Amino acid sequence: NAGVMQNPRHLVRRRGQEARLRCSPVKGHSHVYWYRQLPEEGLKFMVYLQKENIIDESGMPKERFSAEFPKEGPSILRIQQVVRGDSAAYFCASSPEVPRGTDTQYFGPGTRLTVL
Amino acid sequence: DAKTTQPNSMESNEEEPVHLPCNHSTISGTDYIHWYRQLPSQGPEYVIHGLTSNVNNRMASLAIAEDRKSSTLILHRATLRDAAVYYCILSSSGYALNFGKGTSLLVTP
Repeated sequence: NAGVMQNPRHLVRRRGQEARLRCSPVKGHSHVYWYRQLPEEGLKFMVYLQKENIIDESGMPKERFSAEFPKEGPSILRIQQVVRGDSAAYFCASSPEVPRGTDTQYFGPGTRLTVL
Repeated sequence: DAKTTQPNSMESNEEEPVHLPCNHSTISGTDYIHWYRQLPSQGPEYVIHGLTSNVNNRMASLAIAEDRKSSTLILHRATLRDAAVYYCILSSSGYALNFGKGTSLLVTP
């Protein structure tokens, strides 16, 4: 009974490189959420995706960040031309149905991105 | 979603009950009260949620004030594995959870 899987668990990039973070939701879940956690802070919502659709990207920085959840394969969070301020833990969560106030999100272990 | 206020940290002895408070004076009628916890170097984990009535599950109990402006997460017997940051979150949308800074619970043997 696999939960949410994220890889890599740790990622080191130099300034200006690209970072690709992958998330495989719980089997059967078609709703994926990405969050970012800066050091010493709580998680901040970034984007909500369903298969092949971005539903809400209100928490995503306007530039350099993009996310997708293709029909087949994992969800990808892509950060182009990384800067030191992008260093953070990125968490993916999933849920089985259209989210409502009662729903639970299942979180992965996170990817810790370090930008040198 | 409305804002919540929690103490920065709390401490408990092992095998004693722990009451973690949360204030949410601007809660709306459609907001559910959720609690998640985050163990060190892990992703958040769902604990419990409720709307108006008190709730119990295998992990914890949730006591909700009659006016819904505050709630308390109750761990009946704290163990060392319960040491974590506990987040009280209000949500009507079911996503875009606002985690805040939470309460860091220290459990001592």
